[in-house]
Amino acid sequence: KAGVTQTPRYLIKTRGQQVTLSCSPISGHRSVSWYQQTPGQGLQFLFEYFSETQRNKGNFPGRFSGRQFSNSRSEMNVSTLELGDSALYLCASSDGGSGNTIYFGEGSWLTVV
Amino acid sequence: QQQVKQSPQSLIVQKGGIPIINCAYENTAFDYFPWYQQFPGKGPALLIAIRPDVSEKKEGRFTISFNKSAKQFSLHIMDSQPGDSATYFCAATTSGSARQLTFGSGTQLTVLP
Repeated sequence: KAGVTQTPRYLIKTRGQQVTLSCSPISGHRSVSWYQQTPGQGLQFLFEYFSETQRNKGNFPGRFSGRQFSNSRSEMNVSTLELGDSALYLCASSDGGSGNTIYFGEGSWLTVV
Repeated sequence: QQQVKQSPQSLIVQKGGIPIINCAYENTAFDYFPWYQQFPGKGPALLIAIRPDVSEKKEGRFTISFNKSAKQFSLHIMDSQPGDSATYFCAATTSGSARQLTFGSGTQLTVLP
């Protein structure tokens, strides 16, 4: 069974631009969540989607958004990039049901210059 | 109340030693406590998890001890190996429908040969 797949793995963007990151969850998983990891703030929850609906959202500005498609694949978008958005963005999937096991992808490394 | 406090920040042990990483939480609604292992450049990998209805869980060389009254839990790594050198994160979440992990700040473990 393939794991959580994230693309692209590495990208460099300029301040003010926008970026879209993609995530394919484990087959059969309907819950996809996104996390930001930085040396200063650690791992922070961005948002979670289940069956194309956002169920939960962390404390991030509106520049951070996401969506989920009918095949459970998810994208997250960051608009008007700031230097502080440089981070590892991690996607995680779970079955979304009573089981709590949450699996992470390798992440997308975003550098804003 | 959403915080999970993790200590120590870093830990160095000799091969064969038993590193212990501690976490404490405040939110009594948390009822699922996973530990993740992260190697440089990789996403977090689920190591072991526990629910508050048991006081200890062992999987291979990894053991979680859980003290519900003190709201504390810890990870013990038996017979540690240099390959265990990684960053370890404790986390907590609820069994509700939304999947949001609250992470500790991480412990960088170094196992010397």
